[in-house]
Amino acid sequence: QTVVTQEPSFSVSPGGTVTLTCGLSSGSVSTSYSPSWYQQTPGQAPRTLIYSTNTRSSGVPDRFSGSILGNKAALTITGAQADDESDYYCLLYMTGGISLFGGGTKLTVL
Amino acid sequence: QVTLKESGPALVKPTQTLTLTCTFSGFSLSSSGMRVGWIRQPPGKGLEWLARIDWDDDKFYSTSLKTRLTISKDTSKNQVVLTMTNMDPVDTATYYCGRVAVGLNFDSWGQGALVTVSS
Repeated sequence: QTVVTQEPSFSVSPGGTVTLTCGLSSGSVSTSYSPSWYQQTPGQAPRTLIYSTNTRSSGVPDRFSGSILGNKAALTITGAQADDESDYYCLLYMTGGISLFGGGTKLTVL
Repeated sequence: QVTLKESGPALVKPTQTLTLTCTFSGFSLSSSGMRVGWIRQPPGKGLEWLARIDWDDDKFYSTSLKTRLTISKDTSKNQVVLTMTNMDPVDTATYYCGRVAVGLNFDSWGQGALVTVSS
């Protein structure tokens, strides 16, 4: 079965730029997978950041951006802030109508 | 304003069937393009997509759980119901429902409901 892959953890300095990726155990991610990205802090429901590869959800700061980089979907945070320290999940729409989450990336800002 | 709220038992016994209800407002699941999905998250672990139901009653299930899951809707009550059979302690998780947008992403989320499976 196809697995959606994400870096388990990442670290970025305040003000720095970080790119998190979302790949497939077999194959390449393209816009047809309609990748979306979610931010979650402990004890809270996820928050939608990016959908349809690169569209920011309402109210999301423009320091968050989405793209396809090579064979993966990517979430880039430019000018990271302390409150960006969260877990980040990608979601891909798969053949057959189902969707799959990646395992999540724990982002540390220090 | 779109809101969703999960309800159901906080505790179920192993082998029992779990029934969760997602009650929503701010949209109608009978309108073309509307969809609602369920997701779960075991304590300290990641998100897992479970199922989705569409306005035209199309239903989609996680490959690994499809034999245990049933999703249905009651458009008159603005509710979506998820049942999961043969519950096991590994099914202990916070269960979320969410509205699925045209781009097939979740654009609104419920607050989540913690379900513990224990005898």
